[in-house]
Order: sequence, then C-alpha cells, then structure tokens
Amino acid sequence: GQSLEQPSEVTAVEGAIVQINCTYQTSGFYGLSWYQQHDGGAPTFLSYNALDGLEETGRFSSFLSRSDSYGYLLLQELQMKDSASYFCAVSHTGGFKTIFGAGTRLFVKA
Amino acid sequence: KAGVTQTPRYLIKTRGQQVTLSCSPISGHRSVSWYQQTPGQGLQFLFEYFSETQRNKGNFPGRFSGRQFSNSRSEMNVSTLELGDSALYLCASSLEGLAGTGELFFGEGSRLTVL
Repeated sequence: GQSLEQPSEVTAVEGAIVQINCTYQTSGFYGLSWYQQHDGGAPTFLSYNALDGLEETGRFSSFLSRSDSYGYLLLQELQMKDSASYFCAVSHTGGFKTIFGAGTRLFVKA
Repeated sequence: KAGVTQTPRYLIKTRGQQVTLSCSPISGHRSVSWYQQTPGQGLQFLFEYFSETQRNKGNFPGRFSGRQFSNSRSEMNVSTLELGDSALYLCASSLEGLAGTGELFFGEGSRLTVL
C-alpha cells in the first residue's frame, strides 16, 4: 500500500525557520510534491522533487532523499500569512494518481 | 486563463439521496482528478480521468462514480448518501496527469453536508 507521514501540527515564530518532514512508503515512486492550503481555500502547488537534493523557490525549499523515502519542506523568514496546512504528496509511475498525506497545520505566532 | 471551476460550491442533502458534482478544468488540461477532504484525513484520492477514460481509482465504495466528457469536463456522483460522505470534494486538473509533472491545479471544492 501507500502511506505518507507528516506531523499534524507545527508552531513557529514570525521570522523564524521551520521544517516540515514527510516520510513515505509506496511502490512506483516518481516524485514528491508539496501543497499549501489556507482555511477555506484550495490547495496550491509549492514545489516538486523527482531527484535527490534541494529545490529552492524563494522563501520555500524542498528536499528529497529517495533512498530514505524522506523529504521536507523548509520555510524561511516566516510570515503570518504562512499559517496554513501543508501537504506532502507522492506521484506514482504509471499509476496516474497523486496520494496526499494528512497535512501539517502550521501556526505562525507574532 | 480561468482556473478550475467546481459547482455547486455548497450543497445539503439527506441520507439516501444522490448527488452530482461538476468540474471544469483549466482550458487545455486533459486530466481531472477527484479528492475527498475531511478534517484530519488529508485528501483522499477518488479517481482520475484522462480523455474520457478512468485511469485509476481510489479505495472508495461503488457508490462513488465519475465520468469525463469530450471537452474534459468531469462529474462525480455519489449515490445513497451516508452521513460520512459529508466532506469537501476537490477537483484538480493537470495537462496530462502523468507522474512527473507534480503540479495539480485545484478548484475551490464542493462542500457537501449530508443530514
């Protein structure tokens, strides 16, 4: 089967750095994505890793280690607007589906 | 470029009824996926369609079905509604839906309440 694990909640201070981890178990792994969802809003794409290493997009970075079945999302210079839920998601080869984790609720405090 | 449009946005049904939800993908996107979102459960994969063909299906009972039309618009249907079907149903589109693109574009969802 397929499963993804990520922390349910993370709290950080404005201006700080936070890391949200994601471990996965799946067959036919192709890539790991991250999505952000604000309350009442639609999930929006943040980043995608198909190869090992770090991908940087502005204040957000995402890392993947295929050998460890592990990835993380790094958010720097946290802002209040970053308070949201963050989902890791696995894309499958030939499966035509993307499986999501349960999400991590990030609270940014002043 | 218009985003993914889902209708209706909100609906209330009673147990035993059936419901049909609609999704219009971004123009040019041929893959449409459906997800059920409930608090604490993340997004549960329902099914994916591409060029009117269902290519994959999640672990949901047969009461959940879908289809895609030639213009890539998609509908999903839930028959014999149960209280546990209350959820936000999200539709996502992508260019081809093949593994490797990573990016899904989501609609705002249809929030279904079953009484």
